[in-house]
Amino acid sequence: SAVISQKPSRDICQRGTSLTIQCQVDSQVTMMFWYRQQPGQSLTLIATANQGSEATYESGFVIDKFPISRPNLTFSTLTVSNMSPEDSSIYLCSVAAAGGYNEQFFGPGTRLTVL
Amino acid sequence: RKEVEQDPGPFNVPEGATVAFNCTYSNSASQSFFWYRQDCRKEPKLLMSVYSSGNEDGRFTAQLNRASQYISLLIRDSKLSDSATYLCVVLMNTGFQKLVFGTGTRLLVSP
Repeated sequence: SAVISQKPSRDICQRGTSLTIQCQVDSQVTMMFWYRQQPGQSLTLIATANQGSEATYESGFVIDKFPISRPNLTFSTLTVSNMSPEDSSIYLCSVAAAGGYNEQFFGPGTRLTVL
Repeated sequence: RKEVEQDPGPFNVPEGATVAFNCTYSNSASQSFFWYRQDCRKEPKLLMSVYSSGNEDGRFTAQLNRASQYISLLIRDSKLSDSATYLCVVLMNTGFQKLVFGTGTRLLVSP
């Protein structure tokens, strides 16, 4: 499986500010995904990020709040804009496995606390 | 109805016990199914994919019942290191590879 890293691993931010999270993969991948895991809950897909096209957002998530970049096949960023305490969460990127069975592998996550 | 439902547990079992987790999903067009394991404060890691015919990997056995839209995971001879949250995950047939996660079942294996 691909090796995925995320930066920062954690951050504490003031409300109203923005944070950009980076996701780096050690191999080229077509599809990358961004998820949120709120405290005590399971993962929710925010958006799918494909290289060379706009990200596709899930219901409840909008580009103005969570802009995503995907400049190449090994890198993506997620920005959490105009943060509020409700954005405190773990943000994870994932990549689809090569081949045909649709597994995804996850980065270590970014733990965000908004004060 | 939630798209993927699991019993949240926790399941408290002694070492060596056999434990089974169940999961139901609502979208009959779902194509792929997985069990992930998530340790505390860590990312989810793929435990096993679930094939139509059922599959086994060492102490772990996964079963799929498409007619009942039901997935199961059986862990035999539980180890302390099996303590974790087990996530039932379904690939939705939306044209994109959208994974939908259950809320997870927490397992605590004690000595």
